[in-house]
Amino acid sequence: GAGVSQSPSNKVTEKGKDVELRCDPISGHTALYWYRQRLGQGLEFLIYFQGNSAPDKSGLPSDRFSAERTGESVSTLTIQRTQQEDSAVYLCASRKTGASQYFGPGTRLTVL
Amino acid sequence: QKEVEQDPGPLSVPEGAIVSLNCTYSNSAFQYFMWYRQYSRKGPELLMYTYSSGNKEDGRFTAQVDKSSKYISLFIRDSQPSDSATYLCAMSARDNQGGKLIFGQGTELSVKP
Repeated sequence: GAGVSQSPSNKVTEKGKDVELRCDPISGHTALYWYRQRLGQGLEFLIYFQGNSAPDKSGLPSDRFSAERTGESVSTLTIQRTQQEDSAVYLCASRKTGASQYFGPGTRLTVL
Repeated sequence: QKEVEQDPGPLSVPEGAIVSLNCTYSNSAFQYFMWYRQYSRKGPELLMYTYSSGNKEDGRFTAQVDKSSKYISLFIRDSQPSDSATYLCAMSARDNQGGKLIFGQGTELSVKP
């Protein structure tokens, strides 16, 4: 079956522009996570969706970052007014109840 | 101080060697411990998942957790060139079913033929 997919795989943007990153979780997975991985670093938690519950936004670094998820389907992570320090790989993971998190391949964001 | 510390390496070993990878942590609430493997330009994939203290073995991989020392390890026996990747430890205070994961920096491993 298909795994977690993310698009685009690479995104180059200019400082100050807005970007939108997409995650398609595995079908039937109720929970969805976004993480950020800076070069040579581990993953930093950003936000977590579980069903219809209010998302856990505790990892979002600033109000320029936001994310949405419709039901148990696609999620989008939006970064407004991008800064150079936003350059990183953005990883999405999903899981079903009782299982571990499965990661997508990530979107590599470069802010010039 | 980071909640989870992991030596970034790089670590280079000859094929067939036993590899030891380690992480220390400061949050005594962590109960669930994982090791992920990440190949270049790929997402992390789960290798091992353990709860509380003790050992868990899966093929050539053994995970150890020592909660009294706040120290976890991953051992790879008979290492292969295909094991060359970055290994990330991760942990959570709640069951992995619900909680966010806190990751170490990752250790880059290279296994030379």
